[in-house]
Amino acid sequence: NAGVMQNPRHLVRRRGQEARLRCSPMKGHSHVYWYRQLPEEGLKFMVYLQKENIIDESGMPKERFSAEFPKEGPSILRIQQVVRGDSAAYFCASSPPWGGQGHEQYFGPGTRLTVT
Amino acid sequence: GIQVEQSPPDLILQEGANSTLRCNFSDSVNNLQWFHQNPWGQLINLFYIPSGTKQNGRLSATTVATERYSLLYISSSQTTDSGVYFCAVNYGNNRLAFGKGNQVVVIP
Repeated sequence: NAGVMQNPRHLVRRRGQEARLRCSPMKGHSHVYWYRQLPEEGLKFMVYLQKENIIDESGMPKERFSAEFPKEGPSILRIQQVVRGDSAAYFCASSPPWGGQGHEQYFGPGTRLTVT
Repeated sequence: GIQVEQSPPDLILQEGANSTLRCNFSDSVNNLQWFHQNPWGQLINLFYIPSGTKQNGRLSATTVATERYSLLYISSSQTTDSGVYFCAVNYGNNRLAFGKGNQVVVIP
């Protein structure tokens, strides 16, 4: 009964490098969400994906950030040319495909990104 | 966007004491969840409670959707209850909007 898996758990990048964060949803879940936790801003929604589709990316920064959830494999959150302000904890959550809106979301352990 | 306010922001409890945490939200929501973020940063699901009352051990929660608030009750608190409690409301396209949290410290 594995939960939501995220890796790496900790990631250190220098300014200008790329960061790739991976998320495997719970078994049977086909909806994936990414959230970011900044020290002064709290937890904020970034993007909602289903297999091969971006459903809602209204919380994603306009530049340098992208997300995908391919037919096979984990969901990827990609940050290009990282800056110090990207340092944060990035959480992935998943929910099941049945029912209407408002499914319960289950969170992974997070990836702590540090930009030096 | 929707506003989610939690109170009190900080709470210090003697072990064994009871407490109530409150979450107010500004608009209609699809559902509401309570989480506990432990000292290691992990978000643990406590309740999925769009309305009504649920209990799980020493914790219980009540949501009154028509009045746009939810309460989390901690009874007979233990040091392992320390951490941050988050209320999150599901609105719009399955997005969760989080409150700023209730920082709880339980001292022995």
